Amino acid sequence: KAGVTQTPRYLIKTRGQQVTLSCSPISGHRSVSWYQQTPGQGLQFLFEYFSETQRNKGNFPGRFSGRQFSNSRSEMNVSTLELGDSALYLCASSPGGGLSNTEAFFGQGTRLTVV
Amino acid sequence: AQSVTQLGSHVSVSEGALVLLRCNYSSSVPPYLFWYVQYPNQGLQLLLKYTSAATLVKGINGFEAEFKKSETSFHLTKPSAHMSDAAEYFCAVSNSGNTPLVFGKGTRLSVIA
Repeated sequence: KAGVTQTPRYLIKTRGQQVTLSCSPISGHRSVSWYQQTPGQGLQFLFEYFSETQRNKGNFPGRFSGRQFSNSRSEMNVSTLELGDSALYLCASSPGGGLSNTEAFFGQGTRLTVV
Repeated sequence: AQSVTQLGSHVSVSEGALVLLRCNYSSSVPPYLFWYVQYPNQGLQLLLKYTSAATLVKGINGFEAEFKKSETSFHLTKPSAHMSDAAEYFCAVSNSGNTPLVFGKGTRLSVIA
């Protein structure tokens, strides 16, 4: 069974630009969550999508958005990039709702550098 | 609100020595607790999880953790450290299957030959 796939692995963008990151969950998983990891703040939850609907949302500004497609693949978008958005963005997939959602499988992440 | 505190941002042990990584949580309801490991430039890999079954949980790579409600702790242990255990370890808590994971700040484990 293929794992969680995140593309691209590395990205360099300029301040003010926008970026789109992609996550393909494990086959059959319907929940996709996104996390931002930085040395200062650690792992912070961005949002979760389940069956194409945003189910949970963290405390990030509106510049951070996401969506999920009918095949459960998810994208997150960051507009008007700031230097502080430089981070490792991790995607996690889970089977679905309830107890089965307690096991999250993570991708290798996308390393975003904003210059 | 849930929170996780990992005591010690960096722990160093000798190869063959006991590994003990500490995690304390706060949760208003019985929690689900997890330990994840992250190797450099990699995502997170689940080591073990507690979901209200046995309080002593065995995970992969010889790791185990004990849920102690009275101490609100979920410390991770391994009897004998290997060089390959050097990585960053994260404790996480969730109140239910439908709430996001809340992570601790992480503990970097170094293993000295």
